[in-house]
Amino acid sequence: GAVVSQHPSWVICKSGTSVKIECRSLDFQATTMFWYRQFPKQSLMLMATSNEGSKATYEQGVEKDKFLINHASLTLSTLTVTSAHPEDSSFYICSASPQTHQPQHFGDGTRLSIL
Amino acid sequence: GENVEQHPSTLSVQEGDSAVIKCTYSDSASNYFPWYKQELGKRPQLIIDIRSNVGEKKDQRIAVTLNKTAKHFSLHITETQPEDSAVYFCAASRGEDYKLSFGAGTTVTVRA
Repeated sequence: GAVVSQHPSWVICKSGTSVKIECRSLDFQATTMFWYRQFPKQSLMLMATSNEGSKATYEQGVEKDKFLINHASLTLSTLTVTSAHPEDSSFYICSASPQTHQPQHFGDGTRLSIL
Repeated sequence: GENVEQHPSTLSVQEGDSAVIKCTYSDSASNYFPWYKQELGKRPQLIIDIRSNVGEKKDQRIAVTLNKTAKHFSLHITETQPEDSAVYFCAASRGEDYKLSFGAGTTVTVRA
């Protein structure tokens, strides 16, 4: 149980394109999901906390107009990278806890490459 | 905010030997400390975690110790095997379902 699914797993697109990444909790409901970014050979850095039915909370230095987060249902959060540029190329990964006080489960991640 | 430091950045051990990774944290409100193993291109996998009301936890060949006063915690892997080779991340949080602050990671290589 407690599966977090992420789609797509890999995307390559041209500079200027907007890319949407989906994070789904398959067998539980998640009022909160987290979005992380990981550059090659680096650690995971929290980008934002996605809150169902309300605005996301962004970490310092993360542009909210650049990285749009929508959490319209208890099982789906989406991250849209708007007008993506090569420096946005990274591994984006989401996580969620199946219950309060339960460890987070991570999605498989999305490798984004902007040409 | 929370700042987690992790050492060493790389660790090479002979198969069968032990591996130790150390982390420190800055936020005294942190009370949950998970360890993740990440293989190349894959998701982080939780291998063990500890809460601040516990000093030590063990699961087969893996153990974690926590010194809340000193704000440091460590991962111990005994009898290492080649499949233990991966990147290991420590993290700190104010709760299991709260945002995680990760250490920089340790690349562990187990030599056969």
